[in-house]
Amino acid sequence: GENVEQHPSTLSVQEGDSAVIKCTYSDSASNYFPWYKQELGKRPQLIIDIRSNVGEKKDQRIAVTLNKTAKHFSLHITETQPEDSAVYFCAATYNQAGTALIFGKGTTLSVSS
Amino acid sequence: NAGVTQTPKFRVLKTGQSMTLLCAQDMNHEYMYWYRQDPGMGLRLIHYSVGEGTTAKGEVPDGYNVSRLKKQNFLLGLESAAPSQTSVYFCASSPRLQVSYEQYFGPGTRLTVT
Repeated sequence: GENVEQHPSTLSVQEGDSAVIKCTYSDSASNYFPWYKQELGKRPQLIIDIRSNVGEKKDQRIAVTLNKTAKHFSLHITETQPEDSAVYFCAATYNQAGTALIFGKGTTLSVSS
Repeated sequence: NAGVTQTPKFRVLKTGQSMTLLCAQDMNHEYMYWYRQDPGMGLRLIHYSVGEGTTAKGEVPDGYNVSRLKKQNFLLGLESAAPSQTSVYFCASSPRLQVSYEQYFGPGTRLTVT
């Protein structure tokens, strides 16, 4: 079945630095790759997503890149701020209908000022 | 617009007891999902539904049952709770794929089984 590996599990950066989180997936049929941010005690919230027909997408300080050949995708956060501190999850669709997601185990990002 | 709501927010059960978690959405979404979240394990899909009256198994369906009798509600049942089912349960919903793939999450239910 589908498997999503996420690295690193923890990441500490200084304010203003960039942060990169990487995920790999196993099912070549996966066609949608979202990234969720979860603050302590809160629900996950979508921050950016990418479809399989696109190689890169950017939204202000956040960008996602997708390499379908290598089956990996990455989240890039530039000019990090303390409020970026949270747990980040990647995910990939794993059923033919494209409606079910399998998530990575998460990356705890800490941004110190 | 309340979005996705979950009832209850917290619950403590004894081993062997049963309970039902209710998820409701007012966005007229087609798809609904139940996940569990355990420390270091991310979110794991339990069951999902692609429409009223339909359900399907996810990654970790054992020990749970679901029903979607109305489009806006998705129920998760535990017939005989076990300590391994101690977790935070999140419900989510999403519209038709032609509209968006984004899943919207509820606030979660923290369940402890003793």
